Amino acid sequence: KAGVTQTPRYLIKTRGQQVTLSCSPISGHRSVSWYQQTPGQGLQFLFEYFSETQRNKGNFPGRFSGRQFSNSRSEMNVSTLELGDSALYLCASSLDGTGNTQYFGPGTRLLVL
Amino acid sequence: DAKTTQPPSMDCAEGRAANLPCNHSTISGNEYVYWYRQIHSQGPQYIIHGLKNNETNEMASLIITEDRKSSTLILPHATLRDTAVYYCIVRVPIGGTSYGKLTFGQGTILTVHP
Repeated sequence: KAGVTQTPRYLIKTRGQQVTLSCSPISGHRSVSWYQQTPGQGLQFLFEYFSETQRNKGNFPGRFSGRQFSNSRSEMNVSTLELGDSALYLCASSLDGTGNTQYFGPGTRLLVL
Repeated sequence: DAKTTQPPSMDCAEGRAANLPCNHSTISGNEYVYWYRQIHSQGPQYIIHGLKNNETNEMASLIITEDRKSSTLILPHATLRDTAVYYCIVRVPIGGTSYGKLTFGQGTILTVHP
């Protein structure tokens, strides 16, 4: 079974721009969670989607948003990029997000200049 | 989810067993212990999880104390490729309402030496 895939793997943007990252979960998994990893803050939960609905959200500003499609694929968007948004963005999928094991993708490395 | 405490770093010789401890003294009766590892700049990799009993799979063994306040991840024959950050996480069981949220601490940096 194919694992979680994320595209693109690397991205360079400038301040003020917006960015969209994509995540395809493991086949049959309906929950997708997003995380941000920075050297200073570590791995932090952004939000989780299930059946095209956001069910849980971490403490991030409204510039961070996401959505999920009917095939469970998910995208996250960051608007008005700031230098501090430079990070590794990870998505993880699980069967239904209620306690099943989560499996992570390789991440998207975003650099904001 | 209960908080976990791990040593910031550990060393291990190649071929030896690596024993990584984790304290989770506030764990609730229905919370599971999960272990993930993250090799530099890659996504975290699931290793193993357990509730009360010791667990073993092809990657590692998990020993949970009887009072469930601590656990140890054992890599029986560490290799250089096991050098990574290891995270111990406590989370609610299937059916819980944390909805996809895993709370990561700082983890333990395991360095395996030749």
